[in-house]
Amino acid sequence: EPEVTQTPSHQVTQMGQEVILRCVPISNHLYFYWYRQILGQKVEFLVSFYNNEISEKSEIFDDQFSVERPDGSNFTLKIRSTKLEDSAMYFCASRRAGGPSNEQFFGPGTRLTVL
Amino acid sequence: RKEVEQDPGPFNVPEGATVAFNCTYSNSASQSFFWYRQDCRKEPKLLMSVYSSGNEDGRFTAQLNRASQYISLLIRDSKLSDSATYLCVTPGGYQKVTFGIGTKLQVIP
Repeated sequence: EPEVTQTPSHQVTQMGQEVILRCVPISNHLYFYWYRQILGQKVEFLVSFYNNEISEKSEIFDDQFSVERPDGSNFTLKIRSTKLEDSAMYFCASRRAGGPSNEQFFGPGTRLTVL
Repeated sequence: RKEVEQDPGPFNVPEGATVAFNCTYSNSASQSFFWYRQDCRKEPKLLMSVYSSGNEDGRFTAQLNRASQYISLLIRDSKLSDSATYLCVTPGGYQKVTFGIGTKLQVIP
C-alpha cells in the first residue's frame, strides 16, 4: 500500500539555524500539506500546496516558513531561523485529486527539537 | 465557541464495553467531517468519514447531528487495541482542516 514518507525522523538543531524537512507524498496525489503538533497539543494546520503553489496557509506559517516541490516527488518545509517554540512533530500529508479536502494520508512525522 | 471542541478524557473503559465520544463544531456550513485515530507519538490515521447522517464500519459508528452541530463516534465491544486518541476533524477553509484536541481512550483488560 502506498504511503507518505518523511525524513529525517528526528532532527535536532540549534536556535537560529535553518532546517529542511522532507516528504515524499503518495505518487498520484496532487494536494500536499504540512501540519505541526507541539507535544501534548492538537494537530495544527500550517499550509496546503497545489499545482506548485500555496493554496492556503495559517497564521502560524509566517515568513520564517517556506515550502517547495523541487522535483516530481519531494515536498519540503523550510524553517529559516528556528526558534525554541518551533520544537514539535511536523507531519506531511497528501490527498488525491477529486477527494474531499479532509481525506488526507499522513506521513510518520519528523520530530524537530530546537535547542 | 471553538471551531472544534472535544472532551480530552481520558475515557477508561473495560474490554468489551461500548463507549461514545462527541465533538462539537462551530461552522454550520461544514459538509464533511472525519474521525482520525492517533496512537502515541504517531501520525493521525483516518478512521471514518461522516458526510450525511452517519456511517458504520464494523464496531464503529459515526453520527452527525446538524441541528446541534456535533458528531459522535460509538465504539462497540472495545478491544485493547482501540486504546488511542480519537481526533475530530472538520474543514476550516478551502483547503485548511481543523483538528480537535482529541479524546483519549484507554481500554482496560
